[in-house]
Amino acid sequence: NAGVMQNPRHLVRRRGQEARLRCSPMKGHSHVYWYRQLPEEGLKFMVYLQKENIIDESGMPKERFSAEFPKEGPSILRIQQVVRGDSAAYFCASSLAVFGPEAFFGQGTRLTVV
Amino acid sequence: KQEVTQIPAALSVPEGENLVLNCSFTDSAIYNLQWFRQDPGKGLTSLLLIQSSQREQTSGRLNASLDKSSGRSTLYIAASQPGDSATYLCAVTPPNDYKLSFGAGTTVTVRA
Repeated sequence: NAGVMQNPRHLVRRRGQEARLRCSPMKGHSHVYWYRQLPEEGLKFMVYLQKENIIDESGMPKERFSAEFPKEGPSILRIQQVVRGDSAAYFCASSLAVFGPEAFFGQGTRLTVV
Repeated sequence: KQEVTQIPAALSVPEGENLVLNCSFTDSAIYNLQWFRQDPGKGLTSLLLIQSSQREQTSGRLNASLDKSSGRSTLYIAASQPGDSATYLCAVTPPNDYKLSFGAGTTVTVRA
């Protein structure tokens, strides 16, 4: 049973480009969460999605950031017109139930904006 | 708003010494507390999860305690090894919520 899979592991984008980060949850998990880890800071919640629904995006910046979890395929975190301050590690987690006891995290995508 | 603090930020010990990592949180109304390990440039590995009704959990050389009333958790790693070198994160989940609040972590170096 594969764990949470994220790709790419490393992504370099020039300022103004778009970044697409993908996350495939663990088999059987329908709840996906994205977190961002800025340098020297703890992980911060960004968004919670279920299949075809955004449940809570209270941690997402209001502009340039969007997320989806389509019926088929991985969850996507999209960052448009990236800026240097978007450089961070982005982690995806999945769980079996929304208030389940444990969330499983992926390896993360490290975004560097140059 | 839940604030999670981990002290110290960094720790260096010789191999064989026991490790004590501290985590404190401001709101004692939590659903569970989870300890993770993060290796440089890598993801998070869940080590131990303590439900709010529990006081401790053990796995091998690891033991984590939880004192909700004082807002504290402690992770003990017995007989440390160089392979234990990593950053250790604690995270709490409020009741009826899914958002984990993370501390900034304690970076551990075990010297051979």
